[in-house]
Amino acid sequence: SQQGEEDPQALSIQEGENATMNCSYKTSINNLQWYRQNSGRGLVHLILIRSNEREKHSGRLRVTLDTSKKSSSLLITASRAADTASYFCATVHFSNAGGTSYGKLTFGQGTILTVHP
Amino acid sequence: DAGVIQSPRHEVTEMGQEVTLRCKPISGHDYLFWYRQTMMRGLELLIYFNNNVPIDDSGMPEDRFSAKMPNASFSTLKIQPSEPRDSAVYFCASSALLLSYNEQFFGPGTRLTVL
Repeated sequence: SQQGEEDPQALSIQEGENATMNCSYKTSINNLQWYRQNSGRGLVHLILIRSNEREKHSGRLRVTLDTSKKSSSLLITASRAADTASYFCATVHFSNAGGTSYGKLTFGQGTILTVHP
Repeated sequence: DAGVIQSPRHEVTEMGQEVTLRCKPISGHDYLFWYRQTMMRGLELLIYFNNNVPIDDSGMPEDRFSAKMPNASFSTLKIQPSEPRDSAVYFCASSALLLSYNEQFFGPGTRLTVL
């Protein structure tokens, strides 16, 4: 299965602390994306890292990718109560179905992050 | 842009009834996806379209499920007949090939309960 697996399943921290979530996957990928889902809402794209990149930053987010270990991590620095949500990694590999080349996203089970004020 | 629009937001129906979920993708996006989310199975891709044409429906669980995209601004996912195990949150997402590396934009979802 291409599915990413997040670790831990749940994480509870205090505001101001850093939160680290990990994702492992099984086969080669084109890129890996992280999404956030607030309770009762759809997923929101956070950040994307390509297979030839090792680290990427966006605001308080830092993503690393180790293709040799088939793993990625998402670090949220100086967490806030508003960061409370589920976080999903999604691996992308391209297929040529239907004559087009497009990357399907395969999502992991997610990490539930709770940030206490 | 209003983002991806889904309706209804909530649907409660009885086993055996037909259910139709609707989606309006972001204007200009040429890919549309239907996902199902449950606690047990997580987020699963059911089917996706490119330029209104179904490309990959390998995730559709069984013949009771069907999806159509009659035009670039509208898609439906139909379950007939519905069963209690179909209870889940169904998400529609859209994307544009020109967007770098397939970022997808999700709608708010339809929470389906089949009694």
